[in-house]
Amino acid sequence: DAGVIQSPRHEVTEMGQEVTLRCKPISGHNSLFWYRQTMMRGLELLIYFNNNVPIDDSGMPEDRFSAKMPNASFSTLKIQPSEPRDSAVYFCASSLTTDTQYFGPGTRLTVL
Amino acid sequence: GNSVTQMEGPVTLSEEAFLTINCTYTATGYPSLFWYVQYPGEGLQLLLKATKADDKGSNKGFEATYRKETTSFHLEKGSVQVSDSAVYFCALSETSYDKVIFGPGTSLSVIP
Repeated sequence: DAGVIQSPRHEVTEMGQEVTLRCKPISGHNSLFWYRQTMMRGLELLIYFNNNVPIDDSGMPEDRFSAKMPNASFSTLKIQPSEPRDSAVYFCASSLTTDTQYFGPGTRLTVL
Repeated sequence: GNSVTQMEGPVTLSEEAFLTINCTYTATGYPSLFWYVQYPGEGLQLLLKATKADDKGSNKGFEATYRKETTSFHLEKGSVQVSDSAVYFCALSETSYDKVIFGPGTSLSVIP
């Protein structure tokens, strides 16, 4: 299996622009998680889905952030408009249950 | 609510030294416990896990024992290598369909 695939691996954008991060989970997994990692705040859970349904989005920082999972093999995390404080590494992870999570390589986002 | 506490880093050790990274947790039930490792520039990956009290998880020379009486899951390795340099995260999951709660991470540097 190819593992969790994230794209792009790096994104540099200017403040105010829309950013879309993409994730393809491991085939057969039914839970998907979006995390954000920064030096200051560590690893934060933003949102997670089970069977394509959002279960907990309490970690989504504000209305500028939105996430979708239209089918079992694809999810997006969108930031609109982006701000410099959104600069971070964003990880997607998937699991068959939440027992063991498999992380993607991450997307490093820089907002200028 | 559920939470995980880890010893603060960074931890710097010489090659072949003994490693202990302390982890304690707070949970209302009987969680599964995990150690994840993050190598530079990569996503997190599962290192080991234990699902019930007195279980010992082990992998790559690392061990951790689920201690319910002290609510702890300390990570140990008898002889660290330079390649063990990474950030280590302790984590718990309350049920199979609940989210995983990660600790803040402990950075380990092993010098030759």
